[in-house]
Amino acid sequence: EAAVTQSPRNKVTVTGGNVTLSCRQTNSHNYMYWYRQDTGHGLRLIHYSYGAGNLQIGDVPDGYKATRTTQEDFFLLLELASPSQTSLYFCASRAGNTLYFGEGSRLIVV
Amino acid sequence: AQSVDQPDAHVTLSEGASLELRCSYSYSAAPYLFWYVQYPGQSLQFLLKYITGDTVVKGTKGFEAEFRKSNSSFNLKKSPAHWSDSAKYFCALAPVNTGNYKYVFGAGTRLKVIA
Repeated sequence: EAAVTQSPRNKVTVTGGNVTLSCRQTNSHNYMYWYRQDTGHGLRLIHYSYGAGNLQIGDVPDGYKATRTTQEDFFLLLELASPSQTSLYFCASRAGNTLYFGEGSRLIVV
Repeated sequence: AQSVDQPDAHVTLSEGASLELRCSYSYSAAPYLFWYVQYPGQSLQFLLKYITGDTVVKGTKGFEAEFRKSNSSFNLKKSPAHWSDSAKYFCALAPVNTGNYKYVFGAGTRLKVIA
């Protein structure tokens, strides 16, 4: 099973602040994903990537940037955080046809 | 566009009963379908998937699911249910014919099994 590690696990920032969420997988999987989880919405795809330097737009990309610096590392950037971005963020990597998730990063924007 | 619907936000049943969580999808071609479980405070864990072939697939923790193309459903089942099955369950679809691998999730069903 894939090992996906996220950091930080918890983050509080102020409106307008700058936040970077990190995700690392050590299985050399090509596809990596960033989702946000909110009550009533399930998981919504923000961005995804199929390799270093690649970025694909998800379904709710507004206010988010992402960067895949290596095969292992996928970052989600919130450059001007807003309260609407308070959420639980999950990173996942794809092994075969299946997504495997990290432990999540809880972000609160006050 | 593809979508996944889990019509029951909450399901409560007694331990020992049979559970069935509903999932329907909208996709023009043959999808890959998945079930995940999320225990309180934890991440999502993979339970099972349907790719092709046998329409009844078995997964971990005693769960199984049946793919029904006729009504675009992929319901999750287990019998008997145990109190430890209390969790949130997500159905997901991968629209592989598009080549973009954008996995789509339903809103989830929160299951409570009363001991």
